[in-house]
Amino acid sequence: SQQGEEDPQALSIQEGENATMNCSYKTSINNLQWYRQNSGRGLVHLILIRSNEREKHSGRLRVTLDTSKKSSSLLITASRAADTASYFCATDDSGTYKYIFGTGTRLKVLA
Amino acid sequence: ETGVTQTPRHLVMGMTNKKSLKCEQHLGHNAMYWYKQSAKKPLELMFVYSLEERVENNSVPSRFSPECPNSSHLFLHLHTLQPEDSALYLCASRDRGRKVDTEAFFGQGTRLTVV
Repeated sequence: SQQGEEDPQALSIQEGENATMNCSYKTSINNLQWYRQNSGRGLVHLILIRSNEREKHSGRLRVTLDTSKKSSSLLITASRAADTASYFCATDDSGTYKYIFGTGTRLKVLA
Repeated sequence: ETGVTQTPRHLVMGMTNKKSLKCEQHLGHNAMYWYKQSAKKPLELMFVYSLEERVENNSVPSRFSPECPNSSHLFLHLHTLQPEDSALYLCASRDRGRKVDTEAFFGQGTRLTVV
């Protein structure tokens, strides 16, 4: 079963605009992580937010976490064409060794 | 370069063939994962190994057979596959249990085509 569901499934924006992606999860978590995947390649870790944190920044990335709603959002500011990729959230399935990824958001940034 | 290496990068095999995918990490991680990613589908967790012991098997058909001979190597043995098994197979490793927060490191994947 999928731990995370993300929306939107696909997002197309102009260069310079901000992109926001959302992730919902089902179980309790210690942390939530966001990854990026360029077409047909492996995933690359972007940022981790712990369950006791509400917001975290890394460069042009801003992640928020609302544990009461079991949701997280990833904001990419001042997007660039090179940000075109798929973005996934990931969480540990509590009590198991499973590391579950969301359905992903395909972001396309138009130059 | 993530420190996780998968070979081969591309593989075409017939339904009666036997082949193996290889994953190697020298990051000192204690957990390794196989994922399947089909077109326009989410990543599907297949197997998890922790300290060379299989700890998760996500209802994967027996035509996929994992092997973890040591903490640095993970294999996925394939036999009598079906065309619907064509996908990108991703290997990942991470440190699980020794640290509170761990990120996963992924290989570049093996693009498998079953004909």
